[in-house]
Amino acid sequence: DVKVTQSSRYLVKRTGEKVFLECVQDMDHENMFWYRQDPGLGLRLIYFSYDVKMKEKGDIPEGYSVSREKKERFSLILESASTNQTSMYLCASSPLQGTYEQYFGPGTRLTVT
Amino acid sequence: AQSVTQLDSQVPVFEEAPVELRCNYSSSVSVYLFWYVQYPNQGLQLLLKYLSGSTLVKGINGFEAEFNKSQTSFHLRKPSVHISDTAEYFCAVSDQWNFNKFYFGSGTKLNVKP
Repeated sequence: DVKVTQSSRYLVKRTGEKVFLECVQDMDHENMFWYRQDPGLGLRLIYFSYDVKMKEKGDIPEGYSVSREKKERFSLILESASTNQTSMYLCASSPLQGTYEQYFGPGTRLTVT
Repeated sequence: AQSVTQLDSQVPVFEEAPVELRCNYSSSVSVYLFWYVQYPNQGLQLLLKYLSGSTLVKGINGFEAEFNKSQTSFHLRKPSVHISDTAEYFCAVSDQWNFNKFYFGSGTKLNVKP
């Protein structure tokens, strides 16, 4: 089974802090994604990566950056956390070819106070 | 770009009753279609997907969905729901020429009552 893990299930940070959210997948997938989930808005893509050190902006990249130094790991960085970044963050991965579906981690619920 | 509409934000239903969760998408180009389920405080799990072939797709937990190209719809159905089906359901669409980019609906919360 594909497994996507996220470093924290719940996280509480203060405004202005630098926040790192880590995601690891164990199926050698080329593609990795970071989404933000808010009630009534569904999932919105923040960034995705299709290879090591490669990244592309999604629909809402402002206030976020990403890092992919190894194929299995994709990090989301909030340079200076703000209260409007309080949300559920979901990581996903998918292979370059084959199943066409995305495999999701359990999510990190981030609260910025 | 695609847009995905899930018209019902909440659907209450009694146990053992049938249910249909609606999903419409905007573009008529060739698409891949997905339904995901999210149980409380968990990530998304794939229920079923349409890539090609038969327009009626069967998934896990007794769910099925029908692809209707002319109506650009992909409604999810289950003939008899259980309490354990209480969850949020998301429809997602990707274009066949850019299948890495998913467009998600806003979600439908299914509340199954005893």
